[in-house]
Amino acid sequence: NAGVTQTPKFRILKIGQSMTLQCTQDMNHNYMYWYRQDPGMGLKLIYYSVGAGITDKGEVPNGYNVSRSTTEDFPLRLELAAPSQTSVYFCASSYEGPGAFFGQGTRLTVV
Amino acid sequence: KQEVTQIPAALSVPEGENLVLNCSFTDSAIYNLQWFRQDPGKGLTSLLLIQSSQREQTSGRLNASLDKSSGRSTLYIAASQPGDSATYLCAVSLSGNTPLVFGKGTRLSVIA
Repeated sequence: NAGVTQTPKFRILKIGQSMTLQCTQDMNHNYMYWYRQDPGMGLKLIYYSVGAGITDKGEVPNGYNVSRSTTEDFPLRLELAAPSQTSVYFCASSYEGPGAFFGQGTRLTVV
Repeated sequence: KQEVTQIPAALSVPEGENLVLNCSFTDSAIYNLQWFRQDPGKGLTSLLLIQSSQREQTSGRLNASLDKSSGRSTLYIAASQPGDSATYLCAVSLSGNTPLVFGKGTRLSVIA
C-alpha cells in the first residue's frame, strides 16, 4: 500500500521563487492536511480539506495556497518563497475515526 | 483554542527501564487522541489511537491511557530498548473531521 506520498523529498529554493509540494493518497480518504514542522516546535496546521473542492485555513496559512480538485491529490503552493518558510512539510490524510496517516515529508530550504 | 503540552521535552533512560511520557490538553471535549513516533528525518508513524469513549489502548510494550476529565494522557513503554529512541508526539482532535492539534513532542534516548 502506498498510503500518503509526498514529492519532492528535498528542495532548495531561492527567495522569491515559487514551487508546488505534491501530496497524493490512495486510501480514498476525504480529509487531507498540510502541516509544517520547525525544530522543537511540533507540527502546525497550514491548510486542510474535508473533501474535493473544499479547503480551509489552519493556524499558519500566510504565504501558502492549496487546491483540492480530486479526492486523491492535495498540492501545496508557495508563491514567493521566504526564509521563514524553511521547514519540513508533512501531508496527512484521514477518515473519521481511525486517525491520521502521514507522508514522509518534504524538507524545504529557502536561501 | 486547544493546546497540547508534552512533558518532559527530552528524556534519557538506560535500557530495560519502564518509562512514562505525559501529554496534557486544555479542552477536554476531544474526539480522539493519537500517539505518534518520529525517527530523525522521517515522517510520523501512528502508535496508538484512543477514542474519547476509551480509557486505554495497548500494543505490544506500549500502553496509552486517557483521562478526558483531567485532560491527560500517558504513554507507558515497558522494558525500553535502544530501538525505542525517537521523538514521541501526542495529538488530539475535537471531532472526526477536524485536524489534529500536536504537542511539541518528547525526545527519548534509550542508552544501551
